[in-house]
Amino acid sequence: QKEVEQNSGPLSVPEGAIASLNCTYSDRVSQSFFWYRQYSGKSPELIMSIYSNGDKEDGRFTAQLNKASQYVSLLIRDSQPSDSATYLCAVRPARQLTFGSGTQLTVLP
Amino acid sequence: NAGVTQTPKFRILKIGQSMTLQCTQDMNHNYMYWYRQDPGMGLKLIYYSVGAGITDKGEVPNGYNVSRSTTEDFPLRLELAAPSQTSVYFCASIPPGAEGSGNTIYFGEGSWLTVV
Repeated sequence: QKEVEQNSGPLSVPEGAIASLNCTYSDRVSQSFFWYRQYSGKSPELIMSIYSNGDKEDGRFTAQLNKASQYVSLLIRDSQPSDSATYLCAVRPARQLTFGSGTQLTVLP
Repeated sequence: NAGVTQTPKFRILKIGQSMTLQCTQDMNHNYMYWYRQDPGMGLKLIYYSVGAGITDKGEVPNGYNVSRSTTEDFPLRLELAAPSQTSVYFCASIPPGAEGSGNTIYFGEGSWLTVV
């Protein structure tokens, strides 16, 4: 089993809709969870971090963490074409930061 | 601060050639990482270092070597390049006190390598 798995996508949503991205992880000692956005040809950039069970909201983004189910998700409300990118889930079990394979999101105008 | 600087940005190698990807950071970061990203995939850890003189293997170390003689530099060496090493390579670093934190990881701009 991969350490970090994401819904494979690609995912397409209409402008203004909610985009839902999901991630599961295998290492129960993981304490820190992150969502990165990566535009084509660019480096990943951090958009959300979450450490405790529950929801964390930042503008149009909401991260949800359920450690018992080893599940972390990202909701993007009022999706915009500029949100079209690959979204990477990342987990920190120890000294390393482990990334999922990413979900490509396209927001259709 | 220049941040994390990678060179070269683009390179084409022939099968069997060797080369070194350079990574330098001027922020006095202890933790440094090399990732590779294949098309349509996430980042896979090749090697990492927690300080000068200390390196450890990541998920996909085969075909690569690293060294960390100074805090600033973390070069990645490809020996006997193979087509499977065609990828985008990212160097990254994390400041002291935030080791392992994805909150403060600094990425270089990437190095596009093609092996033909």
